[in-house]
Amino acid sequence: AQTVTQSQPEMSVQEAETVTLSCTYDTSESDYYLFWYKQPPSRQMILVIRQEAYKQQNATENRFSVNFQKAAKSFSLKISDSQLGDAAMYFCAYRRYNNNDMRFGAGTRLTVKP
Amino acid sequence: DVKVTQSSRYLVKRTGEKVFLECVQDMDHENMFWYRQDPGLGLRLIYFSYDVKMKEKGDIPEGYSVSREKKERFSLILESASTNQTSMYLCASSLVRGEDRAPLHFGNGTRLTVT
Repeated sequence: AQTVTQSQPEMSVQEAETVTLSCTYDTSESDYYLFWYKQPPSRQMILVIRQEAYKQQNATENRFSVNFQKAAKSFSLKISDSQLGDAAMYFCAYRRYNNNDMRFGAGTRLTVKP
Repeated sequence: DVKVTQSSRYLVKRTGEKVFLECVQDMDHENMFWYRQDPGLGLRLIYFSYDVKMKEKGDIPEGYSVSREKKERFSLILESASTNQTSMYLCASSLVRGEDRAPLHFGNGTRLTVT
């Protein structure tokens, strides 16, 4: 079974600074997707960024970027110029290419200090 | 935008009650999912459905059942609620095919308390 590990239960960052959230996963598959979801206090899970495993280029969405290391099975999220609205739980997730099931990590709670 | 709507934001039920959690999506997605979210455990899949009347067990199906009579609606049923089913329940949907089939689209969650 695939597992997703987020080793940082909590992180904090100063407003305008950069923070990196870690995620590792375990799989024997070669084709899969990786995701970062954000869950603010409103509880709505919002897709932040996605990465297809076959793409070598790291995905970027505005202030959010990933460092995808396929051989190391690592998928970290970097948030640049952190804003107060970035405060949330962040979940790393894995989905096999032709499979309906999505696996989630335990989450990292990010606090942004003004 | 995809909208996934869960009928209740908060529910309080008594032990032994039969509980229905309802979820509706408006984008004609084939796949629908029920997850349970607990602190330190992330999201765990209870059941999913890839078509009307079709269902597959996830990681923690015990104590739960599901119903999908219409494509847009996926119900989670707690046959006899127990205190260890106190949790946040998240419904999600996704496409089966196409470029956008990969991500899940989530509802706002139902926080269920069983007393």
